[in-house]
Amino acid sequence: DTGVSQNPRHKITKRGQNVTFRCDPISEHNRLYWYRQTLGQGPEFLTYFQNEAQLEKSRLLSDRFSAERPKGSFSTLEIQRTEQGDSAMYLCASSPWTGEQFFGPGTRLTVL
Amino acid sequence: QKEVEQDPGPLSVPEGAIVSLNCTYSNSAFQYFMWYRQYSRKGPELLMYTYSSGNKEDGRFTAQVDKSSKYISLFIRDSQPSDSATYLCAMNRNNNDMRFGAGTRLTVKP
Repeated sequence: DTGVSQNPRHKITKRGQNVTFRCDPISEHNRLYWYRQTLGQGPEFLTYFQNEAQLEKSRLLSDRFSAERPKGSFSTLEIQRTEQGDSAMYLCASSPWTGEQFFGPGTRLTVL
Repeated sequence: QKEVEQDPGPLSVPEGAIVSLNCTYSNSAFQYFMWYRQYSRKGPELLMYTYSSGNKEDGRFTAQVDKSSKYISLFIRDSQPSDSATYLCAMNRNNNDMRFGAGTRLTVKP
């Protein structure tokens, strides 16, 4: 399978715990994006990388959120001190230089 | 006012019907326009990708962009029950962060 992969697919955690999600993009894509989607809404942009450089962050990305893409390949999104409002689907997408964004299956986070 | 407005539906049509989905937007800087299909609890799947105004056809799908009216459409011909999903419009300025509509939920009844 050469698509975008995300792990875990589902994460249940207690409020206050830290969680980390991983995204493996399509191998030849140099851009990687993180989005968050809540029920009944479209995805909302969080941040994006070109190779290993984080080029843009949304105001939605509070200081409890951090993303990395250390070698320009896979990326991780960490949420510290989770809150119930963080419950959502976290989506990763990658794109080639032509710009079309291809999404992974998402990680569904439930904060109890 | 949201940057991208999309009627959430739900929209229900009989099999074989022509489906028309649309979005309006407020930011005239948007240049790239996309349509995604999303099945329940899955990631969005790219259907159409267009640049600036004009039409693009791919099989049963046609995307139209009218930048002067800030209006985009997706038409689905000969709709099938397997087309039942949520359709998301998306757009951006320079191939960076995308702005999405809320999605239109479509049901095609056999």
